[in-house]
Amino acid sequence: DGGITQSPKYLFRKEGQNVTLSCEQNLNHDAMYWYRQDPGQGLRLIYYSQIVNDFQKGDIAEGYSVSREKKESFPLTVTSAQKNPTAFYLCASTWTATNEKLFFGSGTQLSVL
Amino acid sequence: SQQGEEDPQALSIQEGENATMNCSYKTSINNLQWYRQNSGRGLVHLILIRSNEREKHSGRLRVTLDTSKKSSSLLITASRAADTASYFCATGRSRGGGGADGLTFGKGTHLIIQP
Repeated sequence: DGGITQSPKYLFRKEGQNVTLSCEQNLNHDAMYWYRQDPGQGLRLIYYSQIVNDFQKGDIAEGYSVSREKKESFPLTVTSAQKNPTAFYLCASTWTATNEKLFFGSGTQLSVL
Repeated sequence: SQQGEEDPQALSIQEGENATMNCSYKTSINNLQWYRQNSGRGLVHLILIRSNEREKHSGRLRVTLDTSKKSSSLLITASRAADTASYFCATGRSRGGGGADGLTFGKGTHLIIQP
């Protein structure tokens, strides 16, 4: 099946801990994105990558880091510097040089213990 | 602030009725897209309308775009219980909307279809 897979579905973070959210796609998409969604809110862009080994900050990058070592993978690390990490995190991908038709994963709910 | 803003925030109708949601945006766009999100799930792309189009249909969905008013509407006809979800409009982050630098989403309209 072609698609975009996020794991885990639920994740708990302790104070001062870094946690990493996984995002893998087999759609051969060049561009990948991480969004954060708070209850009753729209999506806010954290980071995006248009090509392997390159990525740019979105609107709320502070406290987060990413890597793009492979075309298929775009992991997001929520660092201890992110003081309010509890949210629903969504990964998306699409073809290069367009903002048309993003494909989304099923999301990871991150909570603080 | 968000590029797109949906209205109303919540809408509850009877099954079989039509549902209309509106979206307003602020800057020039290349296209406007609508997405659906079921509770606790990812978003699913529904339909895209380009800036030079005024109306587009896809099954029970009808989207209109008025670039002079910077607004769009999504109409779902003959609603079903399975249409219960949140609906978001989205536009490109960059002025003009081109490129692959991601989309800006509104806060969404939560639609409830009463059986």
